[in-house]
Amino acid sequence: DTAVSQTPKYLVTQMGNDKSIKCEQNLGHDTMYWYKQDSKKFLKIMFSYNNKELIINETVPNRFSPKSPDKAHLNLHINSLELGDSAVYFCASSQGAGPGGEQYFGPGTRLTVT
Amino acid sequence: AQSVTQLDSQVPVFEEAPVELRCNYSSSVSVYLFWYVQYPNQGLQLLLKYLSGSTLVKGINGFEAEFNKSQTSFHLRKPSVHISDTAEYFCAVSEVIQGAQKLVFGQGTRLTINP
Repeated sequence: DTAVSQTPKYLVTQMGNDKSIKCEQNLGHDTMYWYKQDSKKFLKIMFSYNNKELIINETVPNRFSPKSPDKAHLNLHINSLELGDSAVYFCASSQGAGPGGEQYFGPGTRLTVT
Repeated sequence: AQSVTQLDSQVPVFEEAPVELRCNYSSSVSVYLFWYVQYPNQGLQLLLKYLSGSTLVKGINGFEAEFNKSQTSFHLRKPSVHISDTAEYFCAVSEVIQGAQKLVFGQGTRLTINP
């Protein structure tokens, strides 16, 4: 069984469109994250949710809005897509929010904005 | 703010040779360090982590890392690599922000194993 899943795996869209990426985890974790990996493979946290509450928001443009309907899901909605949004987006989850926890990553969603 | 520097962007080695991937960190508080591996077209997977205690940490797939506080380093090693170890390796430091874990990653090191 997949622990952290994301849909879609690939997303190609035009500038100005609005798109969503969905994430689900079946590990029973209470903390979920979104990361962005750019073309140079640099990985940076965007958001963190703990028990459906937004905890970390790393100076991400307002066009990005995460939504957590329940502890097992964390979706990412992006408005007015720009070329610079092209990247691989990873969802992750962990149990608790302590500094030593292991994060489990999904397979990623490759977003291409043309 | 905490940061991590991975000193090599690419490391090519021959199969069955030893390898060391270098990582230096900067932290003003307690240090929690991780190595994650990303196989092609996949998400990240934890290799090992250092929280406290013994400075030599053993992980999965025969990897180990040594925490060196005086040199602020956490280098990853494997005595004999296999073709299947070809991947991107990320060193990360963890901090707690408003009760949430924040991982700060290095730039990654691409390990390429040649037959």
